[in-house]
Amino acid sequence: NAGVTQTPKFQVLKTGQSMTLQCAQDMNHEYMSWYRQDPGMGLRLIHYSVGAGITDQGEVPNGYNVSRSTTEDFPLRLLSAAPSQTSVYFCASSYSRTGGNTIYFGEGSWLTVV
Amino acid sequence: AQSVAQPEDQVNVAEGNPLTVKCTYSVSGNPYLFWYVQYPNRGLQFLLKYITGDNLVKGSYGFEAEFNKSQTSFHLKKPSALVSDSALYFCAVRDLDNYGQNFVFGPGTRLSVLP
Repeated sequence: NAGVTQTPKFQVLKTGQSMTLQCAQDMNHEYMSWYRQDPGMGLRLIHYSVGAGITDQGEVPNGYNVSRSTTEDFPLRLLSAAPSQTSVYFCASSYSRTGGNTIYFGEGSWLTVV
Repeated sequence: AQSVAQPEDQVNVAEGNPLTVKCTYSVSGNPYLFWYVQYPNRGLQFLLKYITGDNLVKGSYGFEAEFNKSQTSFHLKKPSALVSDSALYFCAVRDLDNYGQNFVFGPGTRLSVLP
């Protein structure tokens, strides 16, 4: 059971570089999202998608882009990395927006921007 | 918008003793409440959720949570703590007003179970 798969697990970037964090789920979930986790701040929503071709901004979207060309994939792009984007990134998915549906997380991507 | 508070950054408990990790929430309608656990360098794992019905919810690994509407609380409990329960615990609520009904997480509570 793959669930939600994220790559890479660890990455070091130089300031100004761009990169893409990959996320794929095999549960046919329509709802996918990206969070960042910073100490003492819990998880904050970056972007989300309610279905293929539909994306929207979350709480902290600046500096990030997303796309959803298929139900399975939801990549997160850092356009020009900054030290403030050093964080742990989690991709998550759930079956639908119905309130009681559980959200499932990937294993995380540890990103350091130097 | 919905919000979640976890008033304790750290909870220490001796192995074999009962544990409680506190969570309070603020919602504009019926709450959908969740608990997740995170082990070092891992993703968040689902423990349990409250949607409706019985106020005492049972979940994975012997954990349970008590929903209290009057106190707007959803505390996580376990009758007898194990050293392996040491982890970071997050309370979350589904935000029905914003962000496509995504989740709002508390800041997390670090549980340390001492042998």
